Amino acid sequence: AQSVTQLDSQVPVFEEAPVELRCNYSSSVSVYLFWYVQYPNQGLQLLLKYLSGSTLVESINGFEAEFNKSQTSFHLRKPSVHISDTAEYFCAVSASGGYQKVTFGTGTKLQVIP
Amino acid sequence: GAVVSQHPSRVICKSGTSVKIECRSLDFQATTMFWYRQFPKKSLMLMATSNEGSKATYEQGVEKDKFLINHASLTLSTLTVTSAHPEDSSFYICSARPGTGWSVAPLHFGNGTRLTVT
Repeated sequence: AQSVTQLDSQVPVFEEAPVELRCNYSSSVSVYLFWYVQYPNQGLQLLLKYLSGSTLVESINGFEAEFNKSQTSFHLRKPSVHISDTAEYFCAVSASGGYQKVTFGTGTKLQVIP
Repeated sequence: GAVVSQHPSRVICKSGTSVKIECRSLDFQATTMFWYRQFPKKSLMLMATSNEGSKATYEQGVEKDKFLINHASLTLSTLTVTSAHPEDSSFYICSARPGTGWSVAPLHFGNGTRLTVT
């Protein structure tokens, strides 16, 4: 079974400052890793994913995450945040291969301060 | 692309009644859909995996007779909360994975349903 730990439940950051949201996972097998974003009263939207290949993955809105196998981490970063980035961010993991269940972390609320 | 529509977005019902929530994949087929429940300030809890044309697979601790799941087509899954009680009040989210075979495609989520049982 897989598990995900997001140690920070809330991260306040000033607008245009950099941010890092931490994610660590546990698994005995190869994994796929995801970051999802949730805006209030909405479902989740995929932000970025790591399936294989380059360990650095990027989203279209400036976020990036790096898969670090030795540290079992998949931290999410953005060099300069905007007010519109205020949302809940969930890290998720699944065992590699088709039709595997996805396990979510408890989420980190990013609060961008103007 | 890959839009999942969930309906209704909000529902209030009286204790003892049943509520049906629909999850549709609008522009793709999904052999498998997933139903999650989200508690305040907590992660998403997988309730069940909905498989088209067969019985759903429920997670441990989820009452299959209370949360009825039907996946009648490749684009529609429904969750019925039977004899709802106030403790069933929650945010329910469905998701679907594009593809009808082995797939590594990530999940696409509906916008969720806020259920309030009075």
